[in-house]
Amino acid sequence: QQQVKQSPQSLIVQKGGISIINCAYENTAFDYFPWYQQFPGKGPALLIAIRPDVSEKKEGRFTISFNKSAKQFSLHIMDSQPGDSATYFCAARSAGGTSYGKLTFGQGTILTVHP
Amino acid sequence: DGGITQSPKYLFRKEGQNVTLSCEQNLNHDAMYWYRQDPGQGLRLIYYSQIVNDFQKGDIAEGYSVSREKKESFPLTVTSAQKNPTAFYLCASSMAEYSNQPQHFGDGTRLSIL
Repeated sequence: QQQVKQSPQSLIVQKGGISIINCAYENTAFDYFPWYQQFPGKGPALLIAIRPDVSEKKEGRFTISFNKSAKQFSLHIMDSQPGDSATYFCAARSAGGTSYGKLTFGQGTILTVHP
Repeated sequence: DGGITQSPKYLFRKEGQNVTLSCEQNLNHDAMYWYRQDPGQGLRLIYYSQIVNDFQKGDIAEGYSVSREKKESFPLTVTSAQKNPTAFYLCASSMAEYSNQPQHFGDGTRLSIL
């Protein structure tokens, strides 16, 4: 079964600091890597996404770094704010076979930003 | 506003009972999905549907059933065969399964056992 492994499980950062969440995948048949942000009692919302032909994508304070050869990608949150406190999920979309288009999610990281 | 509506927000199931979770979208999306969320396990795919009257099993379909009679609606039934149904259930939709369009999620239904 295709897997996406996410770490750390939880993360505590001071306001203004950098939050870094890492994901690794095993199968090369993924063609799209989104990150979702989820607040308690709500559904996940797309935060930022990247394709494997790009090594980095930045949107405001959020940056995805992608290392295709290492099969790893990470989310960096610069100048972390208390409002960023949420659960973050990485995901990978299957590009072929019977699972085409399916999203496989990491286990999630609970981020807490202290004021 | 366009979006995905899940109901009810909270649901309780008795032993041996089937319960149905509602998911309606007005985004004109073709594809719809059901996920189960448990603490520390991320989101796991139960069923998905690309078009009306067609659906496929995901990774954990046992004990669940779905229907897709209308483009806007994708209800999930948690049957009595699902022995551990307590979880947060999320419905999602997207323009088309093979496009770069992201999956949009509803705000979930929390199911508990009485």
